[in-house]
Amino acid sequence: EAGVTQFPSHSVIEKGQTVTLRCDPISGHDNLYWYRRVMGKEIKFLLHFVKESKQDESGMPNNRFLAERTGGTYSTLKVQPAELEDSGVYFCASRLTEAGSGNTIYFGEGSWLTVV
Amino acid sequence: SQQGEEDPQALSIQEGENATMNCSYKTSINNLQWYRQNSGRGLVHLILIRSNEREKHSGRLRVTLDTSKKSSSLLITASRAADTASYFCATDKGSNYKLTFGKGTLLTVNP
Repeated sequence: EAGVTQFPSHSVIEKGQTVTLRCDPISGHDNLYWYRRVMGKEIKFLLHFVKESKQDESGMPNNRFLAERTGGTYSTLKVQPAELEDSGVYFCASRLTEAGSGNTIYFGEGSWLTVV
Repeated sequence: SQQGEEDPQALSIQEGENATMNCSYKTSINNLQWYRQNSGRGLVHLILIRSNEREKHSGRLRVTLDTSKKSSSLLITASRAADTASYFCATDKGSNYKLTFGKGTLLTVNP
């Protein structure tokens, strides 16, 4: 079974440009989360989808960030326009809602973003 | 307030020794999970312990949870050089299982 996959793995863009990160959760997982870790800081929650609906987007830093999950499968996170402080690693995670599932949350390899 | 703070921030040991990392948190939780991150890689789930559990084992890993002290420990026995990584604890307390992470412990196992 494939795990959580993220694309691109690494991206270097200039300040002011746009970047779109993609996440494919584990097949069948209805919950999808985005987290990020900027340099020297802890990993922080960005938002949570259940299927195609945003359940909680309290962690989104500002309106330059837009996340979508059309169709309830893969998700995209767009940063437009990118700023220097957006540099960091963006993790996607997924979880299956199921009684007795153990609530394990599986993470992808991350998308490493550098804004120059 | 900072939830899920690990200590020590960095730990260096020799291969074969045991490594113990601690995590403290401030609010009530449903679950606590430990993750490993190798340099430049993603987060790998190690173990989950529920708030009504006190101890869990998985291979060379042993996790304890003390809800009265709001703390958890991760013990790696007979460490190997391949265990070199950052280790994070993460807690959740709501129905959406949103995780709150600490800053992590960087473990270096010297061959």
